[in-house]
Amino acid sequence: DVKVTQSSRYLVKRTGEKVFLECVQDMDHENMFWYRQDPGLGLRLIYFSYDVKMKEKGDIPEGYSVSREKKERFSLILESASTNQTSMYLCASSFQRGRGGYTFGSGTRLTVV
Amino acid sequence: AQKITQTQPGMFVQEKEAVTLDCTYDTSDPSYGLFWYKQPSSGEMIFLIYQGSYDQQNATEGRYSLNFQKARKSANLVISASQLGDSAMYFCAMREGPDNFNKFYFGSGTKLNVKP
Repeated sequence: DVKVTQSSRYLVKRTGEKVFLECVQDMDHENMFWYRQDPGLGLRLIYFSYDVKMKEKGDIPEGYSVSREKKERFSLILESASTNQTSMYLCASSFQRGRGGYTFGSGTRLTVV
Repeated sequence: AQKITQTQPGMFVQEKEAVTLDCTYDTSDPSYGLFWYKQPSSGEMIFLIYQGSYDQQNATEGRYSLNFQKARKSANLVISASQLGDSAMYFCAMREGPDNFNKFYFGSGTKLNVKP
């Protein structure tokens, strides 16, 4: 069964902490994405990557960075967590072209206190 | 401007009845794809149905169909014979162009409640 796995389902972190959210896919997808989901706002794209070591800013990259050292792994980094980064974070992957949609991970609910 | 607009934050439907979830989109790209995803309370996003901008017929997948009206830029999801398990958030999404890194734009979602 193909999968996108996010390392944590729930996380609680303190303001100012450096936070790592990990995402691993086993489908040999070129593209990987990080979204955050907030009520009434839907899913908003933070960063995406179309190849190893390549990254592109999405619509709301401020306060975040990413790392893609291997094709299967895409990490989202909160350099100094703030309370307004409390949210549900969803990782997704896809092939680069074609009709295919995304395969999503199960999400990480992050609370920053 | 919003790329994807879902105007119904929440909806109720009686079990076994049909329901339509609205979605309008905004793009000037002639090539695009439209998707619907379901998100149950457990949080995972489940792909439901896809419609390409050049597809001549409306997409159907089991109880799901997509009412695609290109001139109106609408892509409404129709769920026939609603079931209790259909209670979830539903998101409409769009991908522009064939070579845009498969980047999706999502709407704000519609929460569907199916009543017994």
